[in-house]
Amino acid sequence: DQQVKQNSPSLSVQEGRISILNCDYTNSMFDYFLWYKKYPAEGPTFLISISSIKDKNEDGRFTVFLNKSAKHLSLHIVPSQPGDSAVYFCAARSGGSNYKLTFGKGTLLTVNP
Amino acid sequence: NAGVTQTPKFQVLKTGQSMTLQCAQDMNHNSMYWYRQDPGMGLRLIYYSASEGTTDKGEVPNGYNVSRLNKREFSLRLESAAPSQTSVYFCASRTSGYTDTQYFGPGTRLTVL
Repeated sequence: DQQVKQNSPSLSVQEGRISILNCDYTNSMFDYFLWYKKYPAEGPTFLISISSIKDKNEDGRFTVFLNKSAKHLSLHIVPSQPGDSAVYFCAARSGGSNYKLTFGKGTLLTVNP
Repeated sequence: NAGVTQTPKFQVLKTGQSMTLQCAQDMNHNSMYWYRQDPGMGLRLIYYSASEGTTDKGEVPNGYNVSRLNKREFSLRLESAAPSQTSVYFCASRTSGYTDTQYFGPGTRLTVL
């Protein structure tokens, strides 16, 4: 039972355009959501997060949107840069779960120059 | 600050051999985690330690044991390696407080023949 789903294994965009990465979840107990970025042969690095009491969080070129009624979140990258090419993981935490995260399978973003 | 370090970076084992993956963090974090990443599977939690002296099973604990040696170090042991344990293993530690950012090490790539 996959509680965090990233249905697009890959996404390709042109440099300067917007990248939109999507994530759906099924567990209503999730109260905190995070995006991690991973380059090949490196560990994941934290990118941005959002609490379930908010619907938007912005950090520079990165914005995360949360639609609780649809159990959907998305990561927008504007403008996209070639250095953004990486695998992006969506993760969610269930309140009271002893701070365990459930990760999606990841989306490979390729930004073409 | 080195962050989270893992040793070794690469390892090849034969079926039935044992080994210990080492992880250390210098950020004074209380919680530490072991994940495995397999192609198309995202990150799956093996074991975690919410604080020094405690360990708990994650999603895929079978075939593994862990030791929280002290606040800095959290090791993962494979007693009798199997080909199904071929994977990339990541250690992570977590900041305290409501925000749930986990910091990951660079990973250990393990092949079991």
